[in-house]
Amino acid sequence: NAGVIQTPRHKVTGKGQEATLWCEPISGHSAVFWYRQTIVQGLEFLTYFRNQAPIDDSGMPKERFSAQMPNQSHSTLKIQSTQPQDSAVYLCASSLSTSAETLYFGSGTRLTVL
Amino acid sequence: SQLAEENLWALSVHEGESVTVNCSYKTSITALQWYRQKSGEGPAQLILIRSNEREKRNGRLRATLDTSSQSSSLSITATRCEDTAVYFCATDAQGGRALIFGTGTTVSVSP
Repeated sequence: NAGVIQTPRHKVTGKGQEATLWCEPISGHSAVFWYRQTIVQGLEFLTYFRNQAPIDDSGMPKERFSAQMPNQSHSTLKIQSTQPQDSAVYLCASSLSTSAETLYFGSGTRLTVL
Repeated sequence: SQLAEENLWALSVHEGESVTVNCSYKTSITALQWYRQKSGEGPAQLILIRSNEREKRNGRLRATLDTSSQSSSLSITATRCEDTAVYFCATDAQGGRALIFGTGTTVSVSP
């Protein structure tokens, strides 16, 4: 079991460019979560899928951010027209089925927007 | 606003001592979880304590839950340098909402 895999580990983009972050959950897990972590804001919830369906996206910025889970083996977080304030570590986690169970996190993608 | 918050930003102890991190939360919960995050890694769960449980242990770790005061604590005994990390409590508001993390307490264990 390789755990949750996130790629790339580091991504540098210029202001206004698009960034796509990838997450491969643990096989057999039906829930996938995305979080953003910064020194100032801490660990912020972004969005949550269960069985590939969006369950809660209350933490997603309304503009420029979107997340998808086209199949059970991967999820993507896309940020359009990146801004310096989007710089953060983006963490993906999976669990067997809900948030009331153990979340297994990947090592994160560090996004730097210049 | 945070659903859960740790009460202190940082704690420092020497190896072998015990340390306790406290957490308060705001809503009815299904469970409360404690996570540890070391530098450069994602958070890793230490203990999950359900709302009908009052105490849970995992090796040198002990978590308590008081639903009447909406608070929890995580105690680490016989601390080691490798326990140096940020410790988070996290709660799920009842209704299947996502797990929301507190701001974290940095625990530093020195030789």
